[in-house]
Amino acid sequence: DIQMTQSPSTLSASVGDRVTITCRASQSIVTWLAWYQQKPGKAPKLLIYEASILESGVPSRFSGTGSGTEFTLTISSLQPDDFATYYCQQYDDYWTFGQGTKVDIK
Amino acid sequence: QITLKESGPTLVKPTQTLTLTCTFSGFSLTTSGVGVGWIRQPPGKALEWLALIYWDDDKRYSPSLKSRLTITTDTSKNPVVLTMTNVDPVDTATYYCVHVAPSYYFDHWGQGALVTVSS
Repeated sequence: DIQMTQSPSTLSASVGDRVTITCRASQSIVTWLAWYQQKPGKAPKLLIYEASILESGVPSRFSGTGSGTEFTLTISSLQPDDFATYYCQQYDDYWTFGQGTKVDIK
Repeated sequence: QITLKESGPTLVKPTQTLTLTCTFSGFSLTTSGVGVGWIRQPPGKALEWLALIYWDDDKRYSPSLKSRLTITTDTSKNPVVLTMTNVDPVDTATYYCVHVAPSYYFDHWGQGALVTVSS
């Protein structure tokens, strides 16, 4: 099984901050990685797929980089609507999610 | 516009079989490359992929739950049904169904259905 490890688990930030979340895979997944945003009581929403491709309608302040085993999600300027939990997911071999990173208000 | 909706019991007793239904619109499960999957999320915890069925009736299951899960559909290919046998309180979770894009990520999600396992 491919394990996905996100860091940090919680991140406190202010509006306007640049925020980076890291996701590591236990083996190479090439670029078969997606990022999702989830708000309390809601279903996750796809932000990025294939490590760096922005889903249609997702603001350009979100970006993704990486390949192999290390990936990052960056929010260039945090907005009030971005306070949420973020999950990475590999889809190279079945599907596995990271444990999530909660972005809360500093 | 793709929409999916989960339905099923809100309360199930331990050892019983849980049956969840995913009814969708805006796409056809007969379209090449398309799939429908199930994911769950225990309260306050992370997401866990459970099962997936493709347009050609190919099926995939989480290795850790494979013995307890069955994903099916009928000749009309809508809805998609997930059954989980011998449920336990640890199976208490919100269960989501998803549209699986031809490139294998989950681009549309249902609203989720909370299932509680308790006697």
